[in-house]
Amino acid sequence: GQSLEQPSEVTAVEGAIVQINCTYQTSGFYGLSWYQQHDGGAPTFLSYNALDGLEETGRFSSFLSRSDSYGYLLLQELQMKDSASYFCAVSPGNNRKLIWGLGTSLAVNP
Amino acid sequence: GAVVSQHPSRVICKSGTSVKIECRSLDFQATTMFWYRQFPKKSLMLMATSNEGSKATYEQGVEKDKFLINHASLTLSTLTVTSAHPEDSSFYICSARRIAGGRETQYFGPGTRLLVL
Repeated sequence: GQSLEQPSEVTAVEGAIVQINCTYQTSGFYGLSWYQQHDGGAPTFLSYNALDGLEETGRFSSFLSRSDSYGYLLLQELQMKDSASYFCAVSPGNNRKLIWGLGTSLAVNP
Repeated sequence: GAVVSQHPSRVICKSGTSVKIECRSLDFQATTMFWYRQFPKKSLMLMATSNEGSKATYEQGVEKDKFLINHASLTLSTLTVTSAHPEDSSFYICSARRIAGGRETQYFGPGTRLLVL
């Protein structure tokens, strides 16, 4: 089967750095995406990695290691507004459906 | 990022009625759109893939006669929940797929909260 694993919950304090890991097992791989979803809202796109390495976008960075079937989302200088659910998703390639992780609920405390 | 609108944002209807939800890609053409359903505190559940000019592809367990999808243009897909029942109450979200510069991204609409009484 195809699956993505990510932690269900992470807690951190304002100003800290947090890393959310995602490991995947899929029959094909085209890229790894990260999405943020606040309570009551729809997901918003954060980042996409197709090649190994680190992609940086402001306070958020995303990393991919294709050989390890592993990626992570790194959030720096955490703010209260970063409290949300974070989903990793794999584009498997042949069919265009994203395969979603179950999401990581991040709570940022003062 | 790209903009996808969804309408209505919230709807309350009586059991047995049909509800149509529109998903529009405002600043790019989307050959493929997706319809998701999400229950509270749960992950997104893909219902169907909507392809412009052809029939939608439904996920296993999703009734195609219950959830009618039409993708009549490159910027509009509609989901009609027919003969809605209370168990259809949920958060429905559409997304439009965009491929640019070797990157595949889905841009989501704001979602529609459906409550069936």
